[in-house]
Amino acid sequence: DTAVSQTPKYLVTQMGNDKSIKCEQNLGHDTMYWYKQDSKKFLKIMFSYNNKELIINETVPNRFSPKSPDKAHLNLHINSLELGDSAVYFCASSQDRFYEQYFGPGTRLTVT
Amino acid sequence: AQKITQTQPGMFVQEKEAVTLDCTYDTSDPSYGLFWYKQPSSGEMIFLIYQGSYDQQNATEGRYSLNFQKARKSANLVISASQLGDSAMYFCAMREGVNTGFQKLVFGTGTRLLVSP
Repeated sequence: DTAVSQTPKYLVTQMGNDKSIKCEQNLGHDTMYWYKQDSKKFLKIMFSYNNKELIINETVPNRFSPKSPDKAHLNLHINSLELGDSAVYFCASSQDRFYEQYFGPGTRLTVT
Repeated sequence: AQKITQTQPGMFVQEKEAVTLDCTYDTSDPSYGLFWYKQPSSGEMIFLIYQGSYDQQNATEGRYSLNFQKARKSANLVISASQLGDSAMYFCAMREGVNTGFQKLVFGTGTRLLVSP
């Protein structure tokens, strides 16, 4: 009965590769988000989607492309991975923009 | 300028004692929300408590309470009767932008709490 799930939990890949992280929520929430947590534990929002519509794009490189096929899913595709992309990526969802956000377990991406 | 400031990189407390984790914020938005999240060593982010800028009373959730002082722009988290399982990173976050039509959480740098027996 996981509320917000992400796959994979760990992702190790080489520079230049393309990879995707999937996120699904079964809470019936309208809004979903992607956050990046760096090695110093700093969390920063990357994207926000409301009812499959992009609301926030926080100066993220074009190599990152979110895709929301439906309200319950928000996937993150990353092209041409760089060393600096190594981080933990969290997906989150909220009932709408005004409520607390519930986070997935995170995906630890390591680029070598 | 930092939107959310957590000045305590680390805190120590003994089991069963109370501890206060500090958070100050900076916004010109009249309507905003303040959140606390817990991140244990396993890595997940757990929502703890929420305070709205117009809420008259301080928020409480079980052993967690939020000491909201609007004039001082502070939203400190108080954990009463600490337990060993409270050892974790704690993040303060603010949601602003209601008037501009978008919502995002801005996080502080976190405070690592260690509870000792």
